[in-house]
Amino acid sequence: DQQVKQNSPSLSVQEGRISILNCDYTNSMFDYFLWYKKYPAEGPTFLISISSIKDKNEDGRFTVFLNKSAKHLSLHIVPSQPGDSAVYFCAASERNNNDMRFGAGTRLTVKP
Amino acid sequence: ETGVTQSPTHLIKTRGQQVTLRCSSQSGHNTVSWYQQALGQGPQFIFQYYREEENGRGNFPPRFSGLQFPNYSSELNVNALELDDSALYLCASSLASGSEQYFGPGTRLTVT
Repeated sequence: DQQVKQNSPSLSVQEGRISILNCDYTNSMFDYFLWYKKYPAEGPTFLISISSIKDKNEDGRFTVFLNKSAKHLSLHIVPSQPGDSAVYFCAASERNNNDMRFGAGTRLTVKP
Repeated sequence: ETGVTQSPTHLIKTRGQQVTLRCSSQSGHNTVSWYQQALGQGPQFIFQYYREEENGRGNFPPRFSGLQFPNYSSELNVNALELDDSALYLCASSLASGSEQYFGPGTRLTVT
């Protein structure tokens, strides 16, 4: 069962514009959400997280928004840079539960 | 500070054989999680080890087993390999169960 879904396999954005990556989940018990970035031949790298008690978390150019009623979260990258081109994974878990569920990923391409 | 390393980088096995994959966790990390990432999908949680004890398991059969050693390095063993076991196997270490995970580059296993 796929409890975390990223419905857009790819996204292309112009440098300097905003990138918005979306993620939906079905398990209402999830209370901790993360975004990871993955370059080819490397493991995923932690980017930003948010707990269910918040609806927004910001770190530099990266902001994650959580809409609990819609079971939806999004990652905003502003401004987008060519170095941001990578596969982005959304992940979710119940706090203190080790079974982290990942989406299938969205490949972001930022064009110069 | 040394990051998470995995060996081998890639290997090819025949159906029915057994394989052992290895992971060295980041310095100071006592928790290791293993994931299977099939082509076009996100990582799927196999199990986690905390201080040499299994500390949670995903939906994988018993032929997937693991070990964690006193230095917190870890092994993933897969018996009776099947064609569907072909995937990228990722190891991630963390300071404690439930905290941010740091991934290794993965081992790509091909079963023929």
